[in-house]
Amino acid sequence: EPEVTQTPSHQVTQMGQEVILRCVPISNHLYFYWYRQILGQKVEFLVSFYNNEISEKSEIFDDQFSVERPDGSNFTLKIRSTKLEDSAMYFCASSETPRQVYEQYFGPGTRLTVT
Amino acid sequence: AQKVTQAQTEISVVEKEDVTLDCVYETRDTTYYLFWYKQPPSGELVFLIRRNSFDEQNEISGRYSWNFQKSTSSFNFTITASQVVDSAVYFCALSEAHMYSGGGADGLTFGKGTHLIIQP
Repeated sequence: EPEVTQTPSHQVTQMGQEVILRCVPISNHLYFYWYRQILGQKVEFLVSFYNNEISEKSEIFDDQFSVERPDGSNFTLKIRSTKLEDSAMYFCASSETPRQVYEQYFGPGTRLTVT
Repeated sequence: AQKVTQAQTEISVVEKEDVTLDCVYETRDTTYYLFWYKQPPSGELVFLIRRNSFDEQNEISGRYSWNFQKSTSSFNFTITASQVVDSAVYFCALSEAHMYSGGGADGLTFGKGTHLIIQP
């Protein structure tokens, strides 16, 4: 069964450093998403991406964040200068359509620890 | 703005008991989608069910059942004859169907989750 994959599974970085989280969505999916979950809290939507541009973003997704689809398979989330409060689990998701006719498939997540 | 409320932070029951997880949502859209996801201790998010706003039929899948009531804006989830493996955090989520003409991708709004503990 096709699945969304994410690398690395755990990333430790120092405050102020740049990090790139990588995701490989399901191959025939066209819509991509990033979510984050601070430990013990709810899952929060960050950004959605379609046709090589941001479709929707939340207030959390400020200028420190950017997304990119550098090639035909990867979808990345970059945090330019990490802060302690960026420590969280980051989930990538993908879907066939935007209308939620089909569900969003989530990857296993990348745990980001900022020290 | 859309909102999902899961008032039960934690529920603990003994194995084989039935348990219902509550979900109440708010949205201004007439077309929307509701979801339940399971997050076991390993951390991944496992899709359980999707329901659109035009389909109020209740659904049963094995020991799981869902009760969608638009009149009370609720989408509750019941596990019958619970098992230890059902222990997890369960999230209810909502997505509004924005009318983009050229596509667009709708993010999910999650509730805070209910931590379900099934004791042997």
